[in-house]
Amino acid sequence: KAGVTQTPRYLIKTRGQQVTLSCSPISGHRSVSWYQQTPGQGLQFLFEYFSETQRNKGNFPGRFSGRQFSNSRSEMNVSTLELGDSALYLCASSSGSTGNTIYFGEGSWLTVV
Amino acid sequence: GQQLNQSPQSMFIQEGEDVSMNCTSSSIFNTWLWYKQDPGEGPVLLIALYKAGELTSNGRLTAQFGTTRKDSFLNISASIPSDVGIYFCAGQNDNYGQNFVFGPGTRLSVLP
Repeated sequence: KAGVTQTPRYLIKTRGQQVTLSCSPISGHRSVSWYQQTPGQGLQFLFEYFSETQRNKGNFPGRFSGRQFSNSRSEMNVSTLELGDSALYLCASSSGSTGNTIYFGEGSWLTVV
Repeated sequence: GQQLNQSPQSMFIQEGEDVSMNCTSSSIFNTWLWYKQDPGEGPVLLIALYKAGELTSNGRLTAQFGTTRKDSFLNISASIPSDVGIYFCAGQNDNYGQNFVFGPGTRLSVLP
Protein backbone atom coordinates (compact mmCIF):
# COMPACT_ATOMS: atom_id res chain seq x y z
CA LYS A 1 0.00 0.00 0.00
CA ALA A 2 1.21 3.48 -0.79
CA GLY A 3 3.17 5.33 1.86
CA VAL A 4 2.87 8.92 3.01
CA THR A 5 3.06 11.31 0.08
CA GLN A 6 4.18 14.91 0.42
CA THR A 7 4.15 17.67 -2.16
CA PRO A 8 5.98 19.67 -3.24
CA ARG A 9 9.31 18.04 -2.60
CA TYR A 10 11.37 21.21 -2.90
CA LEU A 11 10.45 24.86 -2.94
CA ILE A 12 12.04 28.25 -2.57
CA LYS A 13 10.13 31.21 -1.19
CA THR A 14 10.91 34.81 -0.36
CA ARG A 15 10.67 36.33 3.10
CA GLY A 16 7.17 37.59 3.80
CA GLN A 17 5.48 35.16 1.43
CA GLN A 18 3.29 32.30 2.53
CA VAL A 19 3.52 28.61 1.66
CA THR A 20 1.18 25.63 1.66
CA LEU A 21 2.43 22.06 1.90
CA SER A 22 0.33 19.00 1.24
CA CYS A 23 0.30 15.50 2.71
CA SER A 24 -1.61 12.36 1.79
CA PRO A 25 -1.46 9.78 4.59
CA ILE A 26 -1.28 6.02 4.27
CA SER A 27 -4.64 4.66 3.14
CA GLY A 28 -6.87 4.05 6.14
CA HIS A 29 -4.87 6.28 8.49
CA ARG A 30 -6.91 9.02 10.10
CA SER A 31 -4.21 10.84 12.01
CA VAL A 32 -1.73 13.19 10.37
CA SER A 33 1.00 15.10 12.18
CA TRP A 34 3.57 17.60 11.00
CA TYR A 35 7.15 18.01 12.14
CA GLN A 36 9.84 20.57 11.36
CA GLN A 37 13.43 19.38 11.06
CA THR A 38 16.38 21.78 11.18
CA PRO A 39 20.07 21.17 11.89
CA GLY A 40 19.91 23.32 15.01
CA GLN A 41 16.63 22.22 16.60
CA GLY A 42 16.26 18.70 15.25
CA LEU A 43 12.81 17.21 14.78
CA GLN A 44 10.09 19.26 16.43
CA PHE A 45 6.36 18.54 16.59
CA LEU A 46 4.16 21.16 14.96
CA PHE A 47 0.61 19.81 15.23
CA GLU A 48 -1.58 16.77 14.75
CA TYR A 49 -4.96 16.34 13.11
CA PHE A 50 -7.36 13.48 13.67
CA SER A 51 -10.71 13.25 11.95
CA GLU A 52 -10.42 16.84 10.71
CA THR A 53 -9.79 18.23 14.21
CA GLN A 54 -6.53 19.47 15.67
CA ARG A 55 -5.73 17.06 18.50
CA ASN A 56 -2.33 18.30 19.63
CA LYS A 57 -0.22 21.37 19.01
CA GLY A 58 3.47 22.06 19.53
CA ASN A 59 5.17 25.30 20.53
CA PHE A 60 5.20 27.13 17.24
CA PRO A 61 3.86 30.63 16.50
CA GLY A 62 0.45 31.19 15.00
CA ARG A 63 2.02 31.71 11.57
CA PHE A 64 2.07 27.92 11.37
CA SER A 65 -1.35 26.43 10.77
CA GLY A 66 -2.86 23.32 9.32
CA ARG A 67 -6.03 21.57 8.41
CA GLN A 68 -7.28 18.13 7.55
CA PHE A 69 -9.88 17.19 5.00
CA SER A 70 -12.57 14.51 5.16
CA ASN A 71 -10.38 12.13 3.13
CA SER A 72 -7.64 12.55 5.81
CA ARG A 73 -5.37 14.51 3.48
CA SER A 74 -3.74 17.41 5.29
CA GLU A 75 -2.20 20.75 4.48
CA MET A 76 0.01 23.00 6.51
CA ASN A 77 0.47 26.68 5.89
CA VAL A 78 3.17 29.05 6.98
CA SER A 79 2.42 32.75 6.59
CA THR A 80 4.81 35.69 6.58
CA LEU A 81 7.83 33.47 6.02
CA GLU A 82 11.05 34.17 7.88
CA LEU A 83 14.56 32.99 7.03
CA GLY A 84 14.45 30.71 10.08
CA ASP A 85 11.52 28.81 8.61
CA SER A 86 13.90 27.15 6.15
CA ALA A 87 13.66 23.48 7.06
CA LEU A 88 12.56 20.02 6.07
CA TYR A 89 8.85 19.71 6.85
CA LEU A 90 7.82 16.15 7.52
CA CYS A 91 4.35 14.72 7.55
CA ALA A 92 3.60 11.52 9.44
CA SER A 93 0.50 9.38 9.56
CA SER A 94 -0.89 6.78 11.90
CA SER A 95 -4.12 4.97 12.52
CA GLY A 96 -4.68 7.24 15.50
CA SER A 97 -5.54 4.41 17.86
CA THR A 98 -3.70 3.35 21.01
CA GLY A 99 -0.16 2.06 20.75
CA ASN A 100 0.25 4.30 17.75
CA THR A 101 3.21 4.24 15.41
CA ILE A 102 3.90 7.07 13.04
CA TYR A 103 5.19 6.71 9.50
CA PHE A 104 6.91 9.60 7.78
CA GLY A 105 6.82 10.87 4.24
CA GLU A 106 9.95 12.01 2.43
CA GLY A 107 9.36 15.61 3.41
CA SER A 108 9.15 18.99 1.76
CA TRP A 109 12.35 21.01 1.66
CA LEU A 110 11.55 24.69 2.14
CA THR A 111 14.17 27.34 1.57
CA VAL A 112 13.34 30.94 2.46
CA VAL A 113 15.53 33.59 0.84
CA GLY B 1 9.54 20.70 28.11
CA GLN B 2 10.37 17.09 27.55
CA GLN B 3 13.82 16.33 26.15
CA LEU B 4 15.54 13.22 24.95
CA ASN B 5 19.25 12.61 25.09
CA GLN B 6 20.93 10.24 22.68
CA SER B 7 24.40 8.80 22.94
CA PRO B 8 26.76 8.59 21.39
CA GLN B 9 26.34 11.66 19.22
CA SER B 10 28.32 9.97 16.44
CA MET B 11 30.30 6.81 15.97
CA PHE B 12 32.68 5.27 13.48
CA ILE B 13 32.80 1.50 13.34
CA GLN B 14 34.30 -1.19 11.16
CA GLU B 15 32.03 -3.23 8.93
CA GLY B 16 30.99 -6.38 10.77
CA GLU B 17 31.11 -4.82 14.23
CA ASP B 18 28.14 -4.58 16.56
CA VAL B 19 26.71 -1.18 17.51
CA SER B 20 24.91 0.02 20.62
CA MET B 21 23.21 3.35 21.15
CA ASN B 22 20.80 4.61 23.74
CA CYS B 23 18.23 7.22 24.48
CA THR B 24 17.35 8.66 27.89
CA SER B 25 14.69 10.98 29.18
CA SER B 26 13.76 12.75 32.38
CA SER B 27 10.12 11.87 31.66
CA ILE B 28 8.27 8.58 31.52
CA PHE B 29 7.13 7.43 28.11
CA ASN B 30 4.52 4.89 27.02
CA THR B 31 5.91 4.42 23.53
CA TRP B 32 9.42 4.38 22.14
CA LEU B 33 10.15 4.43 18.42
CA TRP B 34 13.46 4.10 16.59
CA TYR B 35 14.03 5.57 13.14
CA LYS B 36 16.84 5.73 10.58
CA GLN B 37 17.19 8.71 8.29
CA ASP B 38 19.29 8.88 5.14
CA PRO B 39 20.37 12.24 3.71
CA GLY B 40 17.53 14.04 1.98
CA GLU B 41 14.94 11.47 3.01
CA GLY B 42 12.30 11.15 5.67
CA PRO B 43 12.89 8.98 8.77
CA VAL B 44 12.10 5.30 8.28
CA LEU B 45 10.62 3.38 11.20
CA LEU B 46 12.85 0.57 12.43
CA ILE B 47 11.29 -0.67 15.66
CA ALA B 48 8.34 0.28 17.88
CA LEU B 49 8.17 -0.50 21.60
CA TYR B 50 5.01 -0.22 23.69
CA LYS B 51 5.69 -1.89 27.03
CA ALA B 52 8.33 -1.46 29.73
CA GLY B 53 10.93 -4.21 29.49
CA GLU B 54 9.87 -5.15 25.97
CA LEU B 55 12.65 -6.48 23.73
CA THR B 56 11.94 -6.45 20.00
CA SER B 57 14.03 -7.49 17.01
CA ASN B 58 13.89 -6.56 13.34
CA GLY B 59 16.53 -8.50 11.45
CA ARG B 60 19.93 -7.42 12.73
CA LEU B 61 18.34 -4.72 14.90
CA THR B 62 17.24 -5.21 18.48
CA ALA B 63 15.68 -2.55 20.70
CA GLN B 64 14.55 -2.55 24.30
CA PHE B 65 12.09 -0.44 26.25
CA GLY B 66 13.80 0.34 29.55
CA THR B 67 12.14 -0.91 32.73
CA THR B 68 12.11 2.60 34.21
CA ARG B 69 10.24 3.78 31.07
CA LYS B 70 12.77 6.59 30.82
CA ASP B 71 15.19 4.97 28.41
CA SER B 72 15.55 2.75 25.37
CA PHE B 73 18.39 0.99 23.62
CA LEU B 74 19.09 0.04 20.03
CA ASN B 75 21.64 -2.56 18.99
CA ILE B 76 22.77 -3.35 15.46
CA SER B 77 24.66 -6.57 14.93
CA ALA B 78 27.20 -7.29 12.19
CA SER B 79 27.05 -3.79 10.70
CA ILE B 80 27.13 -3.34 6.93
CA PRO B 81 27.78 -0.21 4.80
CA SER B 82 24.07 0.50 4.27
CA ASP B 83 23.64 0.96 8.03
CA VAL B 84 25.21 4.40 7.59
CA GLY B 85 22.82 7.16 8.54
CA ILE B 86 21.33 9.01 11.48
CA TYR B 87 19.37 7.04 14.05
CA PHE B 88 16.67 8.81 16.02
CA CYS B 89 14.74 7.72 19.06
CA ALA B 90 11.30 9.15 19.76
CA GLY B 91 9.17 8.94 22.87
CA GLN B 92 5.60 9.72 23.75
CA ASN B 93 3.44 9.52 26.85
CA ASP B 94 0.06 10.18 25.25
CA ASN B 95 -1.53 6.91 24.16
CA TYR B 96 -3.60 8.53 21.43
CA GLY B 97 -1.57 11.42 20.13
CA GLN B 98 1.23 11.74 17.64
CA ASN B 99 3.15 14.44 19.54
CA PHE B 100 6.40 12.55 19.80
CA VAL B 101 9.57 14.01 21.26
CA PHE B 102 12.66 13.19 19.24
CA GLY B 103 16.26 12.79 20.31
CA PRO B 104 19.03 14.69 18.50
CA GLY B 105 20.17 11.54 16.72
CA THR B 106 23.22 9.30 16.55
CA ARG B 107 25.23 9.56 13.33
CA LEU B 108 26.65 6.18 12.35
CA SER B 109 29.52 5.74 9.93
CA VAL B 110 30.63 2.28 8.84
CA LEU B 111 34.16 1.87 7.55
CA PRO B 112 34.80 -0.93 5.02
